[in-house]
Amino acid sequence: DIQMTQSPSSLSASVGDRVTITCRASQGISNYLAWYQQKPGKVPKVLIYAASTLQSGVPSRFSGSASGTDFTLTISSLQPEDVATYYCQKYNSAPFTFGPGTKVDIK
Amino acid sequence: EVQLVESGGGLVQPGGSLRLSCAASGFTFSEYSMTWVRQAPGRGLEWVASIKQDGNEKFYVDSVEGRFTISRDNAKNSLYLQMNSLRAEDTAIYYCARDGRITILGVVAGWFDPWGQGTLVTVSS
Repeated sequence: DIQMTQSPSSLSASVGDRVTITCRASQGISNYLAWYQQKPGKVPKVLIYAASTLQSGVPSRFSGSASGTDFTLTISSLQPEDVATYYCQKYNSAPFTFGPGTKVDIK
Repeated sequence: EVQLVESGGGLVQPGGSLRLSCAASGFTFSEYSMTWVRQAPGRGLEWVASIKQDGNEKFYVDSVEGRFTISRDNAKNSLYLQMNSLRAEDTAIYYCARDGRITILGVVAGWFDPWGQGTLVTVSS
């Protein structure tokens, strides 16, 4: 099975900072990658699918990109409401594995 | 408004069984593949099982294959997860989630939106 890794596992940044989270697949998955945000005590919510397509209603400060088996989620200007754990997920084929998550908080 | 409401969670002894349900509303249930995702306390998300819109294909994570069965009743707009031979490591919040788009020509989207609020399953003696 394809494994998904994320880095860093956690980060602390200031409001307004540009934040980048990386997800790596152990094999090629084309662009079949989604990003989810889970705020503390809340239900996960999809931010991006197809590696770079922003889901409707998601703020434009979130963006995604892909290069081979490496995928990046970028928050262009971190806001207090972005405190959350972010997960990537592959969906080229089952199993639809999630990455281990990256916890983001405010410095 | 799209709504997914899970039920059926609770405390069960190791080796026991439980059946989770997910009631869907606000969309044409029979057009979407559906999924169960779980999250153990303080841990990350784990995909558990998915079922295509017509119920004819099902997919499972290896750790539940042979113990869990995903099913659906399109007439009742409901998704189910029958969990047998439960283990302590199955303790988690179980979320029902809809595929991100309708299933087209049998191809699932594979990403999930929206999610229900979840139901807690605790396996303990």
